[in-house]
Amino acid sequence: EVQLVESGGGLVKPGGSLRLSCAASGFTFSSYSMNWVRQAPGKGLEWVSSISSSSSYIYYADSVKGRFTISRDNAKNSLYLQMNSLRAEDTAVYYCARETVEVINWFDPWGQGTLVTVSS
Amino acid sequence: DIQMTQSPSSLSASVGDRVTITCRASQSISSYLNWYQQKPGKAPKLLIYAASSLQSGVPSRFSGSGSGTDFTLTISSLQPEDFATYYCQQSYSTPGAFGQGTKLEIK
Repeated sequence: EVQLVESGGGLVKPGGSLRLSCAASGFTFSSYSMNWVRQAPGKGLEWVSSISSSSSYIYYADSVKGRFTISRDNAKNSLYLQMNSLRAEDTAVYYCARETVEVINWFDPWGQGTLVTVSS
Repeated sequence: DIQMTQSPSSLSASVGDRVTITCRASQSISSYLNWYQQKPGKAPKLLIYAASSLQSGVPSRFSGSGSGTDFTLTISSLQPEDFATYYCQQSYSTPGAFGQGTKLEIK
């Protein structure tokens, strides 16, 4: 069974840091691009960052550029998101999602999400 | 960046109804359009990719159409489990923006 499991969320003060992890299983992790998508409470989905299978291509949303760093360890089947200089507006559930890249790309599956709360 | 606009933002319907949700892109995205369903407290689930291709395991009452800038998601006969929020997403260029969502509620 293809599965993604996020961890690392929690309560952090503004200006603080947090590292999210996403453990993948049931598929060849090193063959897929991966993404982080977040959802603020009661709001819609916002794409945050993506990383290609070999980490050659990395992209960020403008809202997190310079503060967040995406990375992966293919030997450990794991995806990471290092979040620094956190702000209240970064409060959200963070999902990791596998990206299928064919002629068109799509996200499937998604993990269950991990909640990040930025508050003093 | 490409912007995605869904309409309506919310919709009330009854079991058995035919429902259509619209998604418009700010520029042409060919068929680079995906649809996701999200239920409260759950992760999004892929329904439709490439504008009209049904993801494996998704009931055939779901269908997608469109190309260029205008797209639709249609549910032919609403079932109780279909009441959820639906999002479109463009994958033509990075960032892969999502629409703001359409919340489908029971009338």
